[in-house]
Amino acid sequence: DAGVIQSPRHEVTEMGQEVTLRCKPISGHDYLFWYRQTMMRGLELLIYFNNNVPIDDSGMPEDRFSAKMPNASFSTLKIQPSEPRDSAVYFCASSTSKTGFPYNEQFFGPGTRLTVL
Amino acid sequence: GDSVTQMEGPVTLSEEAFLTINCTYTATGYPSLFWYVQYPGEGLQLLLKATKADDKGSNKGFEATYRKETTSFHLEKGSVQVSDSAVYFCALTLNTNAGKSTFGDGTTLTVKP
Repeated sequence: DAGVIQSPRHEVTEMGQEVTLRCKPISGHDYLFWYRQTMMRGLELLIYFNNNVPIDDSGMPEDRFSAKMPNASFSTLKIQPSEPRDSAVYFCASSTSKTGFPYNEQFFGPGTRLTVL
Repeated sequence: GDSVTQMEGPVTLSEEAFLTINCTYTATGYPSLFWYVQYPGEGLQLLLKATKADDKGSNKGFEATYRKETTSFHLEKGSVQVSDSAVYFCALTLNTNAGKSTFGDGTTLTVKP
């Protein structure tokens, strides 16, 4: 299995530009999570999906952030317009509940390092 | 609410030293407990897990025992190596959280030769 795939791995953009981060979860997983990691704030859960439906988006910092999951194999996190304080590493993770509780672990992608100038 | 508290870092040890990273949790239900490790420039990956009281998770020489009476899941390794230098995260998942995990703040470990 290829694991969770994220693209791009690095993104450098200028303030005000739109940024789209992409994620392909592990095949067969029914949960998908978006996290942000910074030195100051640590690891933050932004939003997560179950069977392509957003379950909890309370961690999305502002209306500038939006996430979609049009099908079971693809999700996007969009920032528009981007700001310097959005600079962080963004991780996508997936997991499965199909084996029942206790839930299995989350599998993380390699992350996208975003720099907004 | 549910929470995970890890010992503050950073932790610096010499090679072959004994490692303990403390983790305690607060949960309204009966959680599964996890330790994840993050190597520089990479995503988090599962190190070990335990799903019920008194279970011991182990992997790569690391161990942690699920202690319900003290609500703890401390990570230990008898002899650390330089290659163990990483950030370690304790986490819990409840069956009432629909798959969501609660993570600790992470503890940075540096092992010097």
